[in-house]
Amino acid sequence: DTGVSQNPRHKITKRGQNVTFRCDPISEHNRLYWYRQTLGQGPEFLTYFQNEAQLEKSRLLSDRFSAERPKGSFSTLEIQRTEQGDSAMYLCASSLGSAGELFFGEGSRLTVL
Amino acid sequence: GQQVMQIPQYQHVQEGEDFTTYCNSSTTLSNIQWYKQRPGGHPVFLIQLVKSGEVKKQKRLTFQFGEAKKNSSLHITATQTTDVGTYFCAEWNTDKLIFGTGTRLQVFP
Repeated sequence: DTGVSQNPRHKITKRGQNVTFRCDPISEHNRLYWYRQTLGQGPEFLTYFQNEAQLEKSRLLSDRFSAERPKGSFSTLEIQRTEQGDSAMYLCASSLGSAGELFFGEGSRLTVL
Repeated sequence: GQQVMQIPQYQHVQEGEDFTTYCNSSTTLSNIQWYKQRPGGHPVFLIQLVKSGEVKKQKRLTFQFGEAKKNSSLHITATQTTDVGTYFCAEWNTDKLIFGTGTRLQVFP
């Protein structure tokens, strides 16, 4: 399968713990995006990378959130000291260039108890 | 955060009925994309509209971009149970895709 891959698919954690999600984009795609989606809402932009450079971060992304794409291939999204409000689906998407179609992964669902 | 508004928020129809969702913006849209998200699934790209007044069709789906590029619509003719899901419009804005609020469609057999 050469689509966007995310893991883990589900993560249940206790408040205060750190969690990390991984995204493997489509191999030739230079852009990688992270979104967050809560029930009944549309995906909300968090951050994006062009190759290894993080070019924009949303105001939604507090200091507890950090994303990396060290070699311009896979990306990780880490949430430190999780809070119940962090419970959501974290979606990764990739694209070839800008302003085109986004290809989404299946998402990583986070539940913070 | 910035979002394009969609109406209705939710609609349920009998199988075979038509369905339309509208996407509205107070500012001129540079382009509009439409995505479908099945229950429990992830957004999947349907189409992109760029030109004022543009109309595109995909089988039973018809997509329109308003003349003033401030609104767009998605119309499904003769809905089927496989059309169930949430339909999102989205706009590329300074290198990021901003999603609308979505319209959730339920189709009853």
